[in-house]
Amino acid sequence: EVQLVESGGGLVKPGGSLRLSCAASGFTFSSYAMNWVRQAPGKGLEWVSSISDSGTYIHYADSLKGRFTISRDNARNSLYLQMNSLAAEDTGVYYCARDLSGHSYPPFDYWGLGTLVAVSS
Amino acid sequence: DIQMTQSPSSLSASIGDRVTITCRASQSISSYLNWYQQKPGKAPKLLIYAAGSLQSGVPSRFSGSGFGTEFTLTINILQPEDFATYYCHQSYSAPYTFGQGTKLEIK
Repeated sequence: EVQLVESGGGLVKPGGSLRLSCAASGFTFSSYAMNWVRQAPGKGLEWVSSISDSGTYIHYADSLKGRFTISRDNARNSLYLQMNSLAAEDTGVYYCARDLSGHSYPPFDYWGLGTLVAVSS
Repeated sequence: DIQMTQSPSSLSASIGDRVTITCRASQSISSYLNWYQQKPGKAPKLLIYAAGSLQSGVPSRFSGSGFGTEFTLTINILQPEDFATYYCHQSYSAPYTFGQGTKLEIK
């Protein structure tokens, strides 16, 4: 069974940093591109970042302005999101999501339950 | 960036109804349009990908169509479990943007 379990969220002050993790199991992690998607309270979904299966290709949402860094460790079956210079507008639930394999321009077929990030003084 | 616009933003319907949600892209995305369902406090669930392909395990009352810039999600014979928020999503070009969502409520 495919499982994605996020961790690392919490309460942080404006300007602070957090590192989110996503532990993957039930599939060959190193064969799949992965993504982070966030959702502010009561708002819609916002794609944050994606990373290819090998980690070679990375994309970010323009709104992040270079503050976030996505990475992965295929040996540990883990995806990460380093978030720096956090602001109130970064508050929300952060989901990791897997690309659907075998398709060009794939959707996200499995999602974790999410981890809550709250940025407040 | 490609902007995705859903309509309506909210929709009231009854059990057994047929509903259609529209998603428009600000530029052509070929058929690389996906639909997700999200219930309160839960992660999104993939329903339809590549405009019209039904994800494994999703009931056949869900269907999608469209190409280029205009797409639709149709739910036939609404069931109680279908009341949720629906999002379109383009996977054609980064940043991979979502629509703002359509909340489907019981009339």
